[in-house]
Amino acid sequence: SQTIHQWPATLVQPVGSPLSLECTVEGTSNPNLYWYRQAAGRGLQLLFYSVGIGQISSEVPQNLSASRPQDRQFILSSKKLLLSDSGFYLCASPNLGNTEAFFGQGTRLTVV
Amino acid sequence: AQSVTQLDSQVPVFEEAPVELRCNYSSSVSVYLFWYVQYPNQGLQLLLKYLSGSTLVKGINGFEAEFNKSQTSFHLRKPSVHISDTAEYFCAVIRRRGGYQKVTFGTGTKLQVIP
Repeated sequence: SQTIHQWPATLVQPVGSPLSLECTVEGTSNPNLYWYRQAAGRGLQLLFYSVGIGQISSEVPQNLSASRPQDRQFILSSKKLLLSDSGFYLCASPNLGNTEAFFGQGTRLTVV
Repeated sequence: AQSVTQLDSQVPVFEEAPVELRCNYSSSVSVYLFWYVQYPNQGLQLLLKYLSGSTLVKGINGFEAEFNKSQTSFHLRKPSVHISDTAEYFCAVIRRRGGYQKVTFGTGTKLQVIP
């Protein structure tokens, strides 16, 4: 089955600093990849999804961007963090047939 | 479009008592249904899923859920909870089609088991 690796696990960054969160997938090829953000009391919000290398779709306008430089690598970035970017970020990927979604362990981002 | 509603944001329950976490969904097409559990500062772990067949689905840790098509519900139940069940639980749906499909989550229910 697929395994999602996500790092770092926790991150404290000052307002205005850049961000780079990385997600890699094992056990599959050409996966669909998602970035979700979980803010307190707001459930899981889909930020970006990618169906292939260089293909990124954004679900909501925001201060963040995503890139997919390799088949099994998905990166979430920001040039200048805002306080509102704080939250728990999860990378996910469904299996073929969409009968299950696998998640990374998440990154707790605190912008101070 | 599809949506998922978890009406209860928090559910306190005494240890060894039964619990039901409610989930209702809306979708114009057939969907797969899931329950995930999230322990503090961790990712999501699949508890159980309904793809087809029997409407009563059994998952890990003694949890089960029943798919009710007429009521568009997929409530999660456990007859006797443990302290270790304290976590946040997410209901989710995904359309029954190949290719890219967005997983839609509910806002989550925090289960607090009281000793």
